[in-house]
Amino acid sequence: TQLLEQSPQFLSIQEGENLTVYCNSSSVFSSLQWYRQEPGEGPVLLVTVVTGGEVKKLKRLTFQFGDARKDSSLHITAAQPGDTGLYLCAGRSLEGAQKLVFGQGTRLTINP
Amino acid sequence: GAVVSQHPSWVICKSGTSVKIECRSLDFQATTMFWYRQFPKQSLMLMATSNEGSKATYEQGVEKDKFLINHASLTLSTLTVTSAHPEDSSFYICSAREGKPQHFGDGTRLSIL
Repeated sequence: TQLLEQSPQFLSIQEGENLTVYCNSSSVFSSLQWYRQEPGEGPVLLVTVVTGGEVKKLKRLTFQFGDARKDSSLHITAAQPGDTGLYLCAGRSLEGAQKLVFGQGTRLTINP
Repeated sequence: GAVVSQHPSWVICKSGTSVKIECRSLDFQATTMFWYRQFPKQSLMLMATSNEGSKATYEQGVEKDKFLINHASLTLSTLTVTSAHPEDSSFYICSAREGKPQHFGDGTRLSIL
């Protein structure tokens, strides 16, 4: 079973600060996705990274895929209260069914 | 963009009742659909993978006789929770794939009294 360890699980910081969320595994993934989920809703895709070492930017969010495609990070610069939410990393397995396995999630709170 | 519709969004029923949840891909054909369960303050756990026209593949620990999955067409999959009990109360989320991208529904909050 492929597992994704996400850390931290909870993070509460002040508006304007920077933060990094980590997603680690001992398994290799064909791709890794980052989602954001609001209460009572399904997860919404933020980005997909495919190539080892790949870096993608989405406004103040920077996503990186590890060289070995086993880990990823999400860095938020100058966090805003609107960034508050549950952030989930999910890796797609190399197996035939290509299941999407989710990390435990990081519940982020940005205080004004 | 692609949309996955889930119905109902919220259901409350008595213990012992069977509940059916529908998942539809509105503007694409989904060869594969996934069903997830999410308990409060936890992440999504994959329950089963279903391919159109074939039997679903269940994850370890998920009872196939309790969680019946039907994927009869390329746009519709259903999850039936049979004889539901309070411990089955959870947030159920479906997801559908068209090639690489995987799109998620908005979930169904199931509460068993």
